[in-house]
Amino acid sequence: SQQGEEDPQALSIQEGENATMNCSYKTSINNLQWYRQNSGRGLVHLILIRSNEREKHSGRLRVTLDTSKKSSSLLITASRAADTASYFCATDARLTGGGNKLTFGTGTQLKVEL
Amino acid sequence: DTEVTQTPKHLVMGMTNKKSLKCEQHMGHRAMYWYKQKAKKPPELMFVYSYEKLSINESVPSRFSPECPNSSLLNLHLHALQPEDSALYLCASSPRGDRGPSNQPQHFGDGTRLSIL
Repeated sequence: SQQGEEDPQALSIQEGENATMNCSYKTSINNLQWYRQNSGRGLVHLILIRSNEREKHSGRLRVTLDTSKKSSSLLITASRAADTASYFCATDARLTGGGNKLTFGTGTQLKVEL
Repeated sequence: DTEVTQTPKHLVMGMTNKKSLKCEQHMGHRAMYWYKQKAKKPPELMFVYSYEKLSINESVPSRFSPECPNSSLLNLHLHALQPEDSALYLCASSPRGDRGPSNQPQHFGDGTRLSIL
């Protein structure tokens, strides 16, 4: 089952603009992760934010987390055509048998036009 | 290029066929995963292996049979699939399989695109 919703479902912007994607989740979390998926490819991990963190940066990426609202946002600044992809948030739960379970949001399809 | 290698990239099979999907990683990761992804949907977890033992089966039909012969390899054996099983099958791995803290990103392969005729 899906953990939560992402909005918008689709976003089209011009190169150089900023893109913001939002994620809501339902249960308490240890951390929240963001992944990118280019068309026809696997997922690539972008950034992980722990439940006791409120904001995290990585290059042009900025992630915020509000555990009281059970929400997170991903901001991509100065977007490029190469940022065109689907973006997924995922909550992370430890499994008693080992490994960790990622439950993904519905995803945002970002298109960056020249 | 990804560090998790999946073969084949594409597979077309009939409903009576038996085939296998393969996944390989050489990062020393001890947890490996199978996901199913339908078009324009998020990945859904199917199986998790930790130290070559099945950790979780997310109520997957028995026509899907996972196997982890060693710490680097993960197979998914397919038999008597249905048209609704057509999807992208993704393999992933993460560093630690034991009961440590989470906070571990997963590394994904590019998937096998499966079509059932």
